[in-house]
Amino acid sequence: GESVGLHLPTLSVQEGDNSIINCAYSNSASDYFIWYKQESGKGPQFIIDIRSNMDKRQGQRVTVLLNKTVKHLSLQIAATQPGDSAVYFCAEGWGAQKLVFGQGTRLTINP
Amino acid sequence: SAVISQKPSRDICQRGTSLTIQCQVDSQVTMMFWYRQQPGQSLTLIATANQGSEATYESGFVIDKFPISRPNLTFSTLTVSNMSPEDSSIYLCSAGKGGGYEQYFGPGTRLTVT
Repeated sequence: GESVGLHLPTLSVQEGDNSIINCAYSNSASDYFIWYKQESGKGPQFIIDIRSNMDKRQGQRVTVLLNKTVKHLSLQIAATQPGDSAVYFCAEGWGAQKLVFGQGTRLTINP
Repeated sequence: SAVISQKPSRDICQRGTSLTIQCQVDSQVTMMFWYRQQPGQSLTLIATANQGSEATYESGFVIDKFPISRPNLTFSTLTVSNMSPEDSSIYLCSAGKGGGYEQYFGPGTRLTVT
């Protein structure tokens, strides 16, 4: 997989490769970040979260990295599978427990 | 986590009419939220619905256009009033548990206004 930079709307990777989805967030006061996965015709599904006092968090096949210096968030998906094809959104939260969503990246897994 | 259902899943409505969307959560939750998502775009928060108080609307959204009810800790409704084609969108509700930011989403209601 390749890192494709910030705000890229689409990303295609080969099945089995690793993928990295990037997100730039807007508010330096944000203290909570979430990655959501949205499949066609469904609501967003929680993947993984990270608090601002951390710079890395791992889940099952996913890792989120947080760089507060440049206000950058990334989601790494290891050994991608066809079921990983979806739109991925980052969201940031602060204060009143509201979330602000990024624009999203469509991930396509090629067989 | 929480399981959230929405009704209707989709509807086609005529301009000038109103549609009420229902959101049901399988457990009691503190906060519920309503979002709009245009096709191929991100989610935009419409309002936060708190039980026992009026909803809090985001900039660009007003109560007269999007009245919200939150009669108890498991249910909320969003009404899209006096609809126009510009209101065609997916409307999503979500629920937040406890004091954190984590939100769980319903499947959405796809609204088409003709």
